[in-house]
Amino acid sequence: DIQMTQSPSALSASVGDRVTITCRASRSISDWLAWFQQKPGKAPQVLIYKASTLESGVPSRFSGSGSGTEFTLTISSLQPDDFATYYCQQYNFYPWTFGQGTKVEIQ
Amino acid sequence: QVHLVQSGAEVKKPGASVTVSCKASGYTFTDYYMHWVRQAPGQGLEWMGWINPKTGGTHYAQKFQGWVTMSRDTSISTAYMEVDRLTSDDTAVYFCARGRELERLRIDYWGQGTLVTVSS
Repeated sequence: DIQMTQSPSALSASVGDRVTITCRASRSISDWLAWFQQKPGKAPQVLIYKASTLESGVPSRFSGSGSGTEFTLTISSLQPDDFATYYCQQYNFYPWTFGQGTKVEIQ
Repeated sequence: QVHLVQSGAEVKKPGASVTVSCKASGYTFTDYYMHWVRQAPGQGLEWMGWINPKTGGTHYAQKFQGWVTMSRDTSISTAYMEVDRLTSDDTAVYFCARGRELERLRIDYWGQGTLVTVSS
């Protein structure tokens, strides 16, 4: 199975900060990568697909980049609504696999 | 407006089976795949497999082959996921999630989740 490793596992940040989360795949997945945001007790919501395409309705402060084995999710200016857990997910190989998550907390 | 509405929470004993339903609305049910993903308490997300509602074809993660069954009823736009021989390790929130056929089945919408608790 493809291992997806996110870093950091958690971070503390303030409103207005620029935040970057990294996701590494154990082998190349081309650009078949999605990012999801999940708040406590809620279902995940897609932010980014195909590594860098913003899902319709998602604020433009979210962006994704990368290909192959290394990917990043960037939040350009953290907003109060962005405190949540973020997951990357590869959909190039079966079984699809997720990163372990990155919890973004208020500093 | 796309909605995936799942059935309510379940409490089951070890060895029992559970079926979770996922009713779709706001789109043509047979035009999109349906994935199932689970999340154990305090843990990350685990993909289980998908069903093609148009054909009934399925693909399971190897871990779930033989004890998870995905099905659908197109007349009521509902997908089902049955887990057999439950153990405490199956205690989790189970999500259905829509997959886009022409975009490598990527997930775009999720159901609200169904908590399945396995306890003696």
